[in-house]
Amino acid sequence: QRVLIQSPSASASLGASVNFTCTLNSGHSSYDIAWLQQQPERGPRFLMKVNSDGSHNRGDGVPDRFSSSSSGVERHLTISSLQPEDEADYYCQTWDTGTWVFGGGTKLTVL
Amino acid sequence: VQLVEDGGGLVEPGRSLRLSCATSGFTFDDYAMNWVRQAPGKGLEWVSGISWNSDTIEYADSVKGRFTISRDSAKSSLYLQMNSLRPDDTAFYYCAMEGEVEDYWGRGTLVTVSS
Repeated sequence: QRVLIQSPSASASLGASVNFTCTLNSGHSSYDIAWLQQQPERGPRFLMKVNSDGSHNRGDGVPDRFSSSSSGVERHLTISSLQPEDEADYYCQTWDTGTWVFGGGTKLTVL
Repeated sequence: VQLVEDGGGLVEPGRSLRLSCATSGFTFDDYAMNWVRQAPGKGLEWVSGISWNSDTIEYADSVKGRFTISRDSAKSSLYLQMNSLRPDDTAFYYCAMEGEVEDYWGRGTLVTVSS
């Protein structure tokens, strides 16, 4: 059973908001996660860490248009006021006994 | 914080390659480091991690016994020795620092395994 589940794609209009969900399997339901952004032809970028209690911290230079929350086995990333540069792949990631585990990623299209 | 990978290229199946990751902007000895790869058009796959003092080293099952991670504090650098390379090792390879508050990633280096 995959540890982190993400929808493969999402789309939203310029200026609108979009929400991503990362669902943890039952064995990892209390884990903290990180959200990563990967723009086309670039390496991943840390966006924020989301704790199981919903608290979070953004990475350096990440605008406050990016926010997150937590609910049970779900960790959410919300982007508001969508910009063209937000079109990217978004991954959730967790840490498990010395290893890193990634979700399959969600490709965001900004319309 | 900067992480710059090097050493990628085209290599034949069965051959070896050594990747390096030069770091700056932080105290290298204080942080665990990792290698993550991404096959063309695919998602992220964790490859290997090494603790700050090299006491703990982990590998993904897909590379165990073929890849070796190491670090050199004098050079603030991370390495990945890749032996017995296979076509399915073809990927961008990223090094990443596991920070206290956030993780930092390099831009990656492309490894292509093909005859």
